[in-house]
Amino acid sequence: EIVMTQSPATLSVSPGERATLSCRASQSVTSYLAWYQQKPGQAPRLLIYGASTRATGVPARFSGSGSGTEFTLTISSLQSEDFALYYCQQYNKWPLTFGGGTKVEIK
Amino acid sequence: QVQLVESGGGVVQPGRSLRLSCAASGFTFSSYTMYWVRQAPGKGLQWVAVISYDESNEFYTDSVKGRFTISRDNSKNTLYLQMNSLRAEDTAVYYCARDYYALGVHNWFDHWGQGTLVTVS
Repeated sequence: EIVMTQSPATLSVSPGERATLSCRASQSVTSYLAWYQQKPGQAPRLLIYGASTRATGVPARFSGSGSGTEFTLTISSLQSEDFALYYCQQYNKWPLTFGGGTKVEIK
Repeated sequence: QVQLVESGGGVVQPGRSLRLSCAASGFTFSSYTMYWVRQAPGKGLQWVAVISYDESNEFYTDSVKGRFTISRDNSKNTLYLQMNSLRAEDTAVYYCARDYYALGVHNWFDHWGQGTLVTVS
């Protein structure tokens, strides 16, 4: 199975600052990578698919990059509603696997 | 708008069975591959099972193979997960989720239900 590793586990950022989240795959997933945001008590929300394509309705401050085994989610200027958990997910091979998540918290 | 509403969760003893349902509305259910994803308390996300839009394909994560069965009734716009021989490690919130595109198996999820909690104890 492809193991997805996210770092850091927790990221402390001030509102208005940039946040950079990393996701590493144990083998190449080409560009078959998605990012989700999850707030407490809520279901995940799709942000990015195909490593860099924003889902419908996702603000432009969210951007994804990378291919192969190294991926990045960047939030250019953190808003209060962006403080949440973020997960990456590969869909290149079965079983579909998620990273352990990065919590973005207010500094 | 797209809605997915799970039901059927609860507290169940180890070794017993439970069937989850996911009622879909706001889209052409029969055109979309559907998934179950779970999240143990305080933990991350784990994909559980998938059934293609035309029921031609089903896949499961290894830990549930032979115990769980995914199915769908396109006439009722409903997705199911039959869970047998439940274990403590199956305790989780179970989400149903929809594939991003219609008429294929694309494996990322654009709509999720609110989840239903299964506690095996």
